[in-house]
Amino acid sequence: NAGVMQNPRHLVRRRGQEARLRCSPMKGHSHVYWYRQLPEEGLKFMVYLQKENIIDESGMPKERFSAEFPKEGPSILRIQQVVRGDSAAYFCASSPTGGSSNQPQHFGDGTRLSIL
Amino acid sequence: AQKITQTQPGMFVQEKEAVTLDCTYDTSDPSYGLFWYKQPSSGEMIFLIYQGSYDQQNATEGRYSLNFQKARKSANLVISASQLGDSAMYFCAMREGEGSTLGRLYFGRGTQLTVWP
Repeated sequence: NAGVMQNPRHLVRRRGQEARLRCSPMKGHSHVYWYRQLPEEGLKFMVYLQKENIIDESGMPKERFSAEFPKEGPSILRIQQVVRGDSAAYFCASSPTGGSSNQPQHFGDGTRLSIL
Repeated sequence: AQKITQTQPGMFVQEKEAVTLDCTYDTSDPSYGLFWYKQPSSGEMIFLIYQGSYDQQNATEGRYSLNFQKARKSANLVISASQLGDSAMYFCAMREGEGSTLGRLYFGRGTQLTVWP
């Protein structure tokens, strides 16, 4: 399967713990996007990264959330000290070129984060 | 203002009939792309069809076509010959072609389509 790979598919954490969500983009894609989907809503942009660079983090909460896309390995979305409101589906998408408006973003299956 | 508006929370269509899902958008960029994604109950996001702002013809992909009316800023998805497997949530999304927010997609709230036999 050469698609966008996200893991884990489901993640359960207790309030105050840390959550780490991983995303491996499609082969040949160097641009990664993270989105959050709350129940009954559309996806909301969080952050856009290229290898070793954050391009746009305007949708990321200022505290507790961080993202990286290292030279080697998957992109990581990290949520520290999780709260109940962080419960959502988190989707990763990738594209081969970031700046072209006609490039579809291909999505992973998402990580469903549940906070107890 | 909302970048993408989907005014139909739910739509019902009988199998083998055609259905139109509405989408209007708001942008001042001359270059943009419009996308439709399908999200079945299993949760994954499946890319369906793309329309560019400079495309002269409406996009088509199999049973999916996009009714693009630029002056009205609408990009409605038409599904012909509906199948039971088309039952899903459908999202309209836009990507603007210039500026510092290049890259991000703006999504509507979605339309839940139910196909009945």
